Amino acid sequence: IVLTQSPDFQSVTPKEKVTITCRASQSIGSSLHWYQQKPDQSPKLLIKYASQSFSGVPSRFSGSGSGTDFTLTINSLEPEDAATYYCHQSSNFPQEFGQGTKVEIK
Amino acid sequence: EVQLVESGGGLVQPGRSLRLSCAASGFNFDDYAMHWVRQAPGKGLEWVSGISWNSNSIGYADSVKGRFTISRDNAKNSLYLQMNSLRAEDTALYYCAKDHAYDSTYFDYWGQGTLVTVSS
Repeated sequence: IVLTQSPDFQSVTPKEKVTITCRASQSIGSSLHWYQQKPDQSPKLLIKYASQSFSGVPSRFSGSGSGTDFTLTINSLEPEDAATYYCHQSSNFPQEFGQGTKVEIK
Repeated sequence: EVQLVESGGGLVQPGRSLRLSCAASGFNFDDYAMHWVRQAPGKGLEWVSGISWNSNSIGYADSVKGRFTISRDNAKNSLYLQMNSLRAEDTALYYCAKDHAYDSTYFDYWGQGTLVTVSS
C-alpha cells in the first residue's frame, strides 16, 4: 500500500486554515493515523483512526476520511504548528508512511 | 511515564552487522506490539519492522526483508533489531515506537532514536 500526501510543502500565515490530504493506493478502512514532527524531535501522534484526536492534542487539529482518501485539517494555524506532518497506515504489513508535508509559517 | 531508550547505533562498514536495542519502561511491555521506524538524514519516516506482543506476528519493509531481524524479550522489557549486510542506504536515525495495542495499530510513544551510519 502506497500513501501519497499533498502538498509536499505549504507556506501559511498564522490563523489560516491548513488542509493536507493523504491518498492510499488501496482501501485501508480507517486504519490511517497522523503524526507531527518538529525539527530535531521525535514524531508525535495527532490523530488516530482517521478522525479520533489523540489525548492532549489541541482541538484545532482534526482528521477525516475513510477508504482511500483522508484529510488532516489545522484550523487557525499557530506559529508552533510549523512542522512536517505524516500519515501512516496500519491496515496490514508492511506498514507505510506518506512522504510528509512540511508546513512553514510565513 | 512511558520511556523508550534506543542504543547500539554507530558507524559501521558496508556489509557488516549491528544490533539495536530499545529499553522500555513505564508500561506493561508484554501487552503491546512494538516497531522500528527509521529516518534518513533530511528525509521522511520509513517503517522498518514490527512485532506483536507475543512475537507471533512479525513484518518487515521490503527494503530490509532478509537482512534485518526484529525480536523482543518480554522478561527484559526490551526490543531488538539485528541488522545484517548493511548498506549505505540504511544510514538513518532509528526510532523505537510503542504500539497502542497487542497487534499493529498506531504508535503512541516514540524514543529519541539511535543513529546508524553505514560508511567505509
